[in-house]
Amino acid sequence: DGGITQSPKYLFRKEGQNVTLSCEQNLNHDAMYWYRQDPGQGLRLIYYSQIVNDFQKGDIAEGYSVSREKKESFPLTVTSAQKNPTAFYLCASSIGGPAYEQYFGPGTRLTVT
Amino acid sequence: GESVGLHLPTLSVQEGDNSIINCAYSNSASDYFIWYKQESGKGPQFIIDIRSNMDKRQGQRVTVLLNKTVKHLSLQIAATQPGDSAVYFCAVPGSGSARQLTFGSGTQLTVLP
Repeated sequence: DGGITQSPKYLFRKEGQNVTLSCEQNLNHDAMYWYRQDPGQGLRLIYYSQIVNDFQKGDIAEGYSVSREKKESFPLTVTSAQKNPTAFYLCASSIGGPAYEQYFGPGTRLTVT
Repeated sequence: GESVGLHLPTLSVQEGDNSIINCAYSNSASDYFIWYKQESGKGPQFIIDIRSNMDKRQGQRVTVLLNKTVKHLSLQIAATQPGDSAVYFCAVPGSGSARQLTFGSGTQLTVLP
């Protein structure tokens, strides 16, 4: 089955620790994205990558970092510099650029205490 | 930048009735519009899209209407079923060079028995 996988589904961390969220796709899509979703709000773009070894900051990149060493993988690291990291994180991919249909993974719910 | 708003944060309909969810956008140059459905605790799922050279597009039980004059689009769901209960988002590419999708905050649709 083709699709996007995110792991783990739930993640708990202590404040001050970095944590890396996994995102893998086997759709052969060039572009990948990370969004953050808070209760009652729309999705906000953290980072996106349109090609391997290249990525761009989105609207809320502060306190986050990414890498794109392989076409299939786009891990997101939530650093200790992120002031309010508890949220639902969604990874997506698209065959072309952002203005194409994006396919989403199931999400990772991160809780930092 | 682009802004996208939904008219009602919540909508309740009787099973079997039709549902209409509305969305307004700010950029008159927007040329592509997407509707997503998000069930609780899951990633958004593509429903239907429409390009600006069309006023209407139909899918299975869903219809999207685009009114470019007033920068408004709507999602109509025919014969609403319990499985339609979810949050519905519209998404619109922004005006920047990267044309990132901007998501509305979502309408929670509840189907009453």
